Amino acid sequence: KQEVTQIPAALSVPEGENLVLNCSFTDSAIYNLQWFRQDPGKGLTSLLLIQSSQREQTSGRLNASLDKSSGRSTLYIAASQPGDSATYLCAVLRGSYIPTFGRGTSLIVHP
Amino acid sequence: DVKVTQSSRYLVKRTGEKVFLECVQDMDHENMFWYRQDPGLGLRLIYFSYDVKMKEKGDIPEGYSVSREKKERFSLILESASTNQTSMYLCASTEQGARQETQYFGPGTRLLVL
Repeated sequence: KQEVTQIPAALSVPEGENLVLNCSFTDSAIYNLQWFRQDPGKGLTSLLLIQSSQREQTSGRLNASLDKSSGRSTLYIAASQPGDSATYLCAVLRGSYIPTFGRGTSLIVHP
Repeated sequence: DVKVTQSSRYLVKRTGEKVFLECVQDMDHENMFWYRQDPGLGLRLIYFSYDVKMKEKGDIPEGYSVSREKKERFSLILESASTNQTSMYLCASTEQGARQETQYFGPGTRLLVL
């Protein structure tokens, strides 16, 4: 059974820092990996999707990498802002239409 | 702009009541999902549907049922609500065969069962 782990569970940083969120998965036979953002009391918003054949994806200040062989993905956030404060979840898809989610990293960026 | 909507943002129900949560998507997606999200437990799949009138149990289907009579609408039913079903409920959709496509989520319904 696929397991997805996110480290750290919580993170508090000052504004302007570059930071890295980690996601690891136990089965490397995946179709894709997605990073989502969730604001308190809201649904999930997709940030980046990395297909199994890709190594990374970029969107603005966000960069996500994928290393299938080691079962790892990182989400890099450059020049963090208070508006980046949210919970970030990763999800991997393998073998079916059903993704497996990590429990998320709760990020606070303080001014 | 793609959209998944859920009928209520907040609901308060009594133990034993029958509860309907509605989800509608406007993207013509075949696959639809119902999750619940609880602190410390993450997202857990309740049911999913890959076509009209088709459904599959997820990880925690007990106490729930679903209905998909039209492609755009997927309903979650709590036959007899209990306090342990107090949770955040999230609906999502994606294209069939969409192993390279993202899931789209609704805004969530926060249900309180008293």
